Amino acid sequence: DGGITQSPKYLFRKEGQNVTLSCEQNLNHDAMYWYRQDPGQGLRLIYYSQIVNDFQKGDIAEGYSVSREKKESFPLTVTSAQKNPTAFYLCASRTGRERLWSNQPQHFGDGTRLSIL
Amino acid sequence: SQQGEEDPQALSIQEGENATMNCSYKTSINNLQWYRQNSGRGLVHLILIRSNEREKHSGRLRVTLDTSKKSSSLLITASRAADTASYFCATALNAGNMLTFGGGTRLMVKP
Repeated sequence: DGGITQSPKYLFRKEGQNVTLSCEQNLNHDAMYWYRQDPGQGLRLIYYSQIVNDFQKGDIAEGYSVSREKKESFPLTVTSAQKNPTAFYLCASRTGRERLWSNQPQHFGDGTRLSIL
Repeated sequence: SQQGEEDPQALSIQEGENATMNCSYKTSINNLQWYRQNSGRGLVHLILIRSNEREKHSGRLRVTLDTSKKSSSLLITASRAADTASYFCATALNAGNMLTFGGGTRLMVKP
């Protein structure tokens, strides 16, 4: 079955440590997204990528970094510069093929919950 | 502030009743989407309504869009305990643009 896989499900970060969250999709989607969700809140966009080897900052990119070396993969690194990393992180993807851009929903993984030790 | 704002923030009803959630937004949009999130899980797409549409149905879901009032509503009819979840509206400013999510409505359906 096609879908988005996020790992790990739970992650703990020590002071001054960088951690990387994995996101893999086998939907052949061009666009991928990372969101942060705080308790009882909506989603805020961290980074997005519309094509391999290209990505753009979202609304809250400070303290985070991404790469998009393969179409299937869009890992997110939470750096030590992110002082309040405790949150639920969601990865999503969407088809980006020409003429299919418009009005297409995003497909989400099941998230990674990051906490500080 | 967020583009979409849901109302109410929380809603508790009995099984079999209808649940109505509202979403207001600030700027012109290309489409508006509703998603559901079960506790601790990712979001699941429910329905998309384009800016030139006024009403859309999918099973027990009915979505309306009033672009003059910049608002949308999601109606779940004959609710079930399994409908218990958070519901989010998300707006797309243009066809290929990113989504902006509201804060969500937490729905509890009591058996």
